[in-house]
Amino acid sequence: DQQVKQNSPSLSVQEGRISILNCDYTNSMFDYFLWYKKYPAEGPTFLISISSIKDKNEDGRFTVFLNKSAKHLSLHIVPSQPGDSAVYFCAASAWYGGATNKLIFGTGTLLAVQP
Amino acid sequence: ETGVTQTPRHLVMGMTNKKSLKCEQHLGHNAMYWYKQSAKKPLELMFVYNFKEQTENNSVPSRFSPECPNSSHLFLHLHTLQPEDSALYLCASSQLSLAGGSYNEQFFGPGTRLTVL
Repeated sequence: DQQVKQNSPSLSVQEGRISILNCDYTNSMFDYFLWYKKYPAEGPTFLISISSIKDKNEDGRFTVFLNKSAKHLSLHIVPSQPGDSAVYFCAASAWYGGATNKLIFGTGTLLAVQP
Repeated sequence: ETGVTQTPRHLVMGMTNKKSLKCEQHLGHNAMYWYKQSAKKPLELMFVYNFKEQTENNSVPSRFSPECPNSSHLFLHLHTLQPEDSALYLCASSQLSLAGGSYNEQFFGPGTRLTVL
C-alpha cells in the first residue's frame, strides 16, 4: 500500500505560467516532506522541503504548501521555465527530530514546460 | 570527483552471473542508502547504513547483498538475479542528524541501469 501518492503521472504547462504538482500521503506520522527533481540519466536532486510545523516554504520560484488536515502537499513553480521539465518526486519521512532518516517516495510526476 | 558517484552506469548480466555495484560519496556524510527504481513504481528503499552499520533491510531478497567497508563506500553484490530485478539502482548519502538537529536531505548518485537477461 503506497503511503505517498502522486496521482498525476504527467503535467504540461506553458512557459511563464504556474506549475502545480500535487502529492497525498496516508501516514499521519510523517513530519517532514521533500521534493526532488530528476532529469534523465541523472539521480534525483533535492529541491525544497517543509516541516510539519509549517504550512508554507518558499525558495525563489519554488513554493511548497502543506495541508496536514488533508494530508496533502503541493509544489508551485512560478514562472515555469523549459529547464524545469523533469520528473518531480514527493518524499516523506517520519523524522521525529532525528529518530529516522528513512524516506518514502511517490511515483513521480513528469512535468513538461512548453516554450 | 564531487558528490555521489556510481559505477558502472550500465550493467547487463545473466541470471547466473555475480556482479557488484559500487557507490562512493565525497561529501563527508555518515549515512548511505541503496534504492531501487522500477518502471512506474516509486523509489524503493533497500538498505540503510548509518555510521557503517546496517540499520535497515527493507525485506530485500538475499540475492542482493550490501557491504559498507567505510563511511565513503557502499557496494551492492548481486548473484543469481531474476529478470524482474532489472531496474535503476540508486545510491544516496546524507549527514545523519542527531536528535533535535536539523533535517539533512539525501544526495543521490546517477544510478546504475541494470538489465538481467
